[in-house]
Amino acid sequence: KAGVTQTPRYLIKTRGQQVTLSCSPISGHRSVSWYQQTPGQGLQFLFEYFSETQRNKGNFPGRFSGRQFSNSRSEMNVSTLELGDSALYLCASSIGTGLDGYTFGSGTRLTVV
Amino acid sequence: KNEVEQSPQNLTAQEGEFITINCSYSVGISALHWLQQHPGGGIVSLFMLSSGKKKHGRLIATINIQEKHSSLHITASHPRDSAVYICAVIRTGNQFYFGTGTSLTVIP
Repeated sequence: KAGVTQTPRYLIKTRGQQVTLSCSPISGHRSVSWYQQTPGQGLQFLFEYFSETQRNKGNFPGRFSGRQFSNSRSEMNVSTLELGDSALYLCASSIGTGLDGYTFGSGTRLTVV
Repeated sequence: KNEVEQSPQNLTAQEGEFITINCSYSVGISALHWLQQHPGGGIVSLFMLSSGKKKHGRLIATINIQEKHSSLHITASHPRDSAVYICAVIRTGNQFYFGTGTSLTVIP
């Protein structure tokens, strides 16, 4: 079966711009979670969506937002980009019970210049 | 203080050696993940544990809930095992907390 697909793989944006990243989960998975990975902070949890509702949120500013569509695909948006937002953004999907396995996408590498 | 501590941070081993990576956590959890990340970024979930022990091929993961500790063992290590191994705990409500990772290099 197809894995978790993240698009685009690479992205370069300018400070102040906004960006939208996409994540298509495995068919049948209703939970999509997003993570940021930087050399300094490591992996950090951004938020999780389940059945089109944000179920959990990490400690990130309001510039980071997301949504989930009825087909479980999810988008993450970052507004007013800062240099520090340069990171690998990963999403993972799961069935959504909380105790099932997670499958990660390959990530989107965002560079802010 | 980080909720999840891993040790060691870096590990170099000769091919064939038995490897242990440790993870200690300070919060109540519903489950713990061991993740593998190769250069280039892609993450693979190796194990999800809520109790006991799991084995997959040459990989073994154990967890002691009372002691808030988990270990990942690799038997007969191989250069293709070279990667960063990350411990992640899931708190109630599906909040993930990640360790800083253990960078493993296996030398032929």
